[in-house]
Amino acid sequence: RKEVEQDPGPFNVPEGATVAFNCTYSNSASQSFFWYRQDCRKEPKLLMSVYSSGNEDGRFTAQLNRASQYISLLIRDSKLSDSATYLCVVNPYTGGFKTIFGAGTRLFVKA
Amino acid sequence: DGGITQSPKYLFRKEGQNVTLSCEQNLNHDAMYWYRQDPGQGLRLIYYSQIVNDFQKGDIAEGYSVSREKKESFPLTVTSAQKNPTAFYLCASTKGRGSGTDTQYFGPGTRLTVL
Repeated sequence: RKEVEQDPGPFNVPEGATVAFNCTYSNSASQSFFWYRQDCRKEPKLLMSVYSSGNEDGRFTAQLNRASQYISLLIRDSKLSDSATYLCVVNPYTGGFKTIFGAGTRLFVKA
Repeated sequence: DGGITQSPKYLFRKEGQNVTLSCEQNLNHDAMYWYRQDPGQGLRLIYYSQIVNDFQKGDIAEGYSVSREKKESFPLTVTSAQKNPTAFYLCASTKGRGSGTDTQYFGPGTRLTVL
């Protein structure tokens, strides 16, 4: 089992749709979680951190489910500009530095 | 503007050649990292440095070397010992020394192709 798993997609949705991605992680001791966005042939950029209580930033909502070991990202009212690959990132914090990146979920938003 | 720069953007190498990828940051960040990204895979850590004159191997360090002589610079050398070097290379930095909550900031990347 991979340490961090994501559905690669692609997810094809119309503008205005709501879309959700999940990401599962294997290390139950993982401490911090992030969603990054990566545009085609560009570098990843932080979209949002994921907190235990869940957090929201405009149209984006991230949630953490420790019992089932997954995090989710919900995008409401999708825009064409949301088309990108969304990377799930988990820091197991095993005492040294280690960050695990998921392979990403591709999203295409169409007019 | 503060940020991370990587050069060159594209690099072509013949088999058997060593090449060095540049990474510079003016964010005054303590830690710097090198990742490799291949299609359909997550980023994989090559090396990281939490402080000047010190660096640690990541998950796929074989065939690579680094140095950290200055806080702002962390060059990566891809040696001829790296069997499959064609990939997208990303440099990143964090303000702190890589604790679990640090946000990583990435440079624009270098695409290396071995001919």
